[in-house]
Amino acid sequence: NAGVTQTPKFRILKIGQSMTLQCAQDMNHNYMYWYRQDPGMGLKLIYYSVGAGITDKGEVPNGYNVSRSTTEDFPLRLELAAPSQTSVYFCASRLRTDHGYTFGSGTRLTVV
Amino acid sequence: AQTVTQSQPEMSVQEAETVTLSCTYDTSESDYYLFWYKQPPSRQMILVIRQEAYKQQNATENRFSVNFQKAAKSFSLKISDSQLGDAAMYFCAYVQYGGATNKLIFGTGTLLAVQP
Repeated sequence: NAGVTQTPKFRILKIGQSMTLQCAQDMNHNYMYWYRQDPGMGLKLIYYSVGAGITDKGEVPNGYNVSRSTTEDFPLRLELAAPSQTSVYFCASRLRTDHGYTFGSGTRLTVV
Repeated sequence: AQTVTQSQPEMSVQEAETVTLSCTYDTSESDYYLFWYKQPPSRQMILVIRQEAYKQQNATENRFSVNFQKAAKSFSLKISDSQLGDAAMYFCAYVQYGGATNKLIFGTGTLLAVQP
């Protein structure tokens, strides 16, 4: 099992550019989440999904969009990147019936 | 709203010694889970230990154990026989039981250094 796979691991964007952070899981997990981790802070929820075709906002959704066309994939889209979006982004997933989260290895994004 | 507080930004322990990391949380709910996650320099979030609130017995995983005090809303992590590989950022986290909308809430973390 690969678990939760995130790509890319690192990325530098210029202000105003757009990009998509990829997340895929092969565990048939129902729920998937996107978090961001700012320096010295814990993780904050951006968006989450309870299944294919269903997504909802978390604590800090502004500047981001998501889609969930399949159970396996949950990409995070950044439109018009801003320096405030410089962070480490984590994707996570879990089964509906279990509260143990599995995390990806993260994407370090820098916006300059 | 639920909150998780880790009051120790940094801790240090000698190799082979025991260290305790503190965590308190605030919730009005009775059914929830608590977790300790380890984040080494590789950034990977690794689940160390979990505790279901309805269980009175403290969870243990090899050298890791917790002291769960539900009335006091306290959830500390004890690491015994500390090893160099234990050096990492440790996050305490809370999730309310049931439903995807009950998000995992993290504390701000404790950076643990292990001295040889």
